[in-house]
Amino acid sequence: QKEVEQDPGPLSVPEGAIVSLNCTYSNSAFQYFMWYRQYSRKGPELLMYTYSSGNKEDGRFTAQVDKSSKYISLFIRDSQPSDSATYLCAMRKGGKLIFGQGTELSVKP
Amino acid sequence: DGGITQSPKYLFRKEGQNVTLSCEQNLNHDAMYWYRQDPGQGLRLIYYSQIVNDFQKGDIAEGYSVSREKKESFPLTVTSAQKNPTAFYLCASSSQTANTEAFFGQGTRLTVV
Repeated sequence: QKEVEQDPGPLSVPEGAIVSLNCTYSNSAFQYFMWYRQYSRKGPELLMYTYSSGNKEDGRFTAQVDKSSKYISLFIRDSQPSDSATYLCAMRKGGKLIFGQGTELSVKP
Repeated sequence: DGGITQSPKYLFRKEGQNVTLSCEQNLNHDAMYWYRQDPGQGLRLIYYSQIVNDFQKGDIAEGYSVSREKKESFPLTVTSAQKNPTAFYLCASSSQTANTEAFFGQGTRLTVV
């Protein structure tokens, strides 16, 4: 079993839709949670980070962490075609940074 | 301009040859990482380093080697022992190992010909 599980998709939504991306993890030692966006053939760019349970909002993006369920989510409101990318969740365990498989998102005009 | 620079962007290697990928950062970060990305498999950790002159194996270290002689630099050598080296390689760095985010370079695409 992988330490971090993420549905690879692909996920296709119409422009303006609310997108929900999710990851589950198995180890309660994970303490710091991040979401990255990666466009094709580029390096991942950091979108959001959080270390506590609850919600954190930044513009159209909301990161949610539920440590009791070992579950994190990223919500994208009013999705745009420019949001089409692969979204990766990541978590820290000591010196390691562990990534989910990534979810490929396509937002159709 | 602060950031992480990976070079080259594209690299071709003949079977049986070793090749070294460069990663340099000017962010004054202590920790650096190398990941490999294959289609549909996310990012897999090859090696990471928390301080100069020290590094640890990740999940897929076989066939790879690294060095950390300077804080700014963390080169990755893909040796001939790596059975399937064709992949997208990503370097990252972070200011500490605990409770901080990591930042990535733009990657090197290695192709074995």
